[in-house]
Amino acid sequence: QSALTQPASVSGSPGQSITISCTGTSSDVGAYEYVSWYQQLPGKAPKLIIYDVSTRPSGISNRFSGSKSGNTASLTISGLQAEDEADYYCCSSAASGTPYVFGPGTTVNVL
Amino acid sequence: QVQLQQSGPGLVKPSETLSLTCTVSGGSISSHYWSYIRQPPGKGLEWIGYIYYNGGTDYNPSLKSRVTMSIDTSKTQFSLMLNSVTAADTAVYYCARGWRVGSTLRYFDSWGQGILVTVSS
Repeated sequence: QSALTQPASVSGSPGQSITISCTGTSSDVGAYEYVSWYQQLPGKAPKLIIYDVSTRPSGISNRFSGSKSGNTASLTISGLQAEDEADYYCCSSAASGTPYVFGPGTTVNVL
Repeated sequence: QVQLQQSGPGLVKPSETLSLTCTVSGGSISSHYWSYIRQPPGKGLEWIGYIYYNGGTDYNPSLKSRVTMSIDTSKTQFSLMLNSVTAADTAVYYCARGWRVGSTLRYFDSWGQGILVTVSS
C-alpha cells in the first residue's frame, strides 16, 4: 500500500489541460521540496519529468509543470497530446519509514 | 549521457537468491546514489535501496533483512542480492541513478531497461 495517494486515472481530450494530484502527509510531501514525477510508457522504464516539485529536466516539454501546496503535489499537462498517454508516478522523500516513497500511479487517457 | 545496462537471470526458484547487476557507462560511478527499484506486474514502483560509491547503503525497511547491495567502481557496476525470494518478489527490477542532498534522496534521473524476474519452481 502506497504512502501517497493518486487518482487511478485521468482523462482529457487533445489540447486540454489535466492535473494529477499526489497527496501525502506532513512527513513526506509536506516536509520536503523533493517531490518528483515520472512518466512510464507501456513496457518502458520510468522517465523523470519533474523534480524538486517544479523543475523540468533538460529535454522535457514545458507542457509539463509541477507544483505543491501543503501535503499535496500536482502535475499539470497542458496541451494534451496522444503521446502523453502513459502512467504517471509521483514520489517524495519521507522522514519516517521508507526514505523514498512512490504513489500508486495515475493512468492518463487521451480521448 | 549516462547509460545503465542491466543483467541477470529472469527466473529464480523460491527460497533462493535473486542476483542482478547494473553496468554504468557514459558517466562516473564515483558519485550519486545508485539504486534499485522494482515493479510487480501491473502494479506500482517500490524503492529497494541505494549504494554510494564508497559502499554506504540504505535499504527499504520492509526488505532490509533480505537485501544486500554492492559496488565495484573498477568495473563501474553495482549489484543487488535479494535472498529467500518468494512469488511476491516477482517483478520488473530497475536500476537507477539517484541524486541526494544531505541525507535526503531527491530523484532518479537515469534508469536501466528493467529485467523481469519471475520467482517460480
